Amino acid sequence: AQKVTQAQTEISVVEKEDVTLDCVYETRDTTYYLFWYKQPPSGELVFLIRRNSFDEQNEISGRYSWNFQKSTSSFNFTITASQVVDSAVYFCALSEAGGGSNYKLTFGKGTLLTVNP
Amino acid sequence: SAVISQKPSRDICQRGTSLTIQCQVDSQVTMMFWYRQQPGQSLTLIATANQGSEATYESGFVIDKFPISRPNLTFSTLTVSNMSPEDSSIYLCSVPKWTGGEQYFGPGTRLTVT
Repeated sequence: AQKVTQAQTEISVVEKEDVTLDCVYETRDTTYYLFWYKQPPSGELVFLIRRNSFDEQNEISGRYSWNFQKSTSSFNFTITASQVVDSAVYFCALSEAGGGSNYKLTFGKGTLLTVNP
Repeated sequence: SAVISQKPSRDICQRGTSLTIQCQVDSQVTMMFWYRQQPGQSLTLIATANQGSEATYESGFVIDKFPISRPNLTFSTLTVSNMSPEDSSIYLCSVPKWTGGEQYFGPGTRLTVT
């Protein structure tokens, strides 16, 4: 069975601070996908990134960066120079890679990030 | 990316009634997923809906409570039957990108049961 753990329930930072959201996962699959989604107060889910299990390269997109470490089953997300607009719930998720119904997502419980001005 | 719409966007319903939620996608997709997000909680998969076959339900969800229809490759409905306050949640449909894994989500239907 797949499992995603986001140990940080809530994080509060002051604007311009860097913040890292932790994600640890469990799966028996050798090939899988990892995701991060953002859910602002409006409620919609915003896709941020997908990472294949065979690609351990870290990725940077603007102020966002992701650190994937297969050895520790972690896929952490860092926001550099946080802004008030980053305030949201962030979900880490996992799916198999076999196609079709295997693409169903297992979500972590989410981390509520509050960025104060 | 796929554009997904859901109707209604929100509703307030009385205990014991049923609500049907519609999900429309702007392109043909084989698989659609229905998720539930209870207040302050994470998303939980309710069922997988394939066109032309019965939906596959996850543990804890049954067809009598959450019947799903999938009449074509761009549309699906989820009915929440005999509602109770515990059914108050956001219900979201999603579709996977066929090339691999990435999923697009609809805007969600925010249901409150009184």
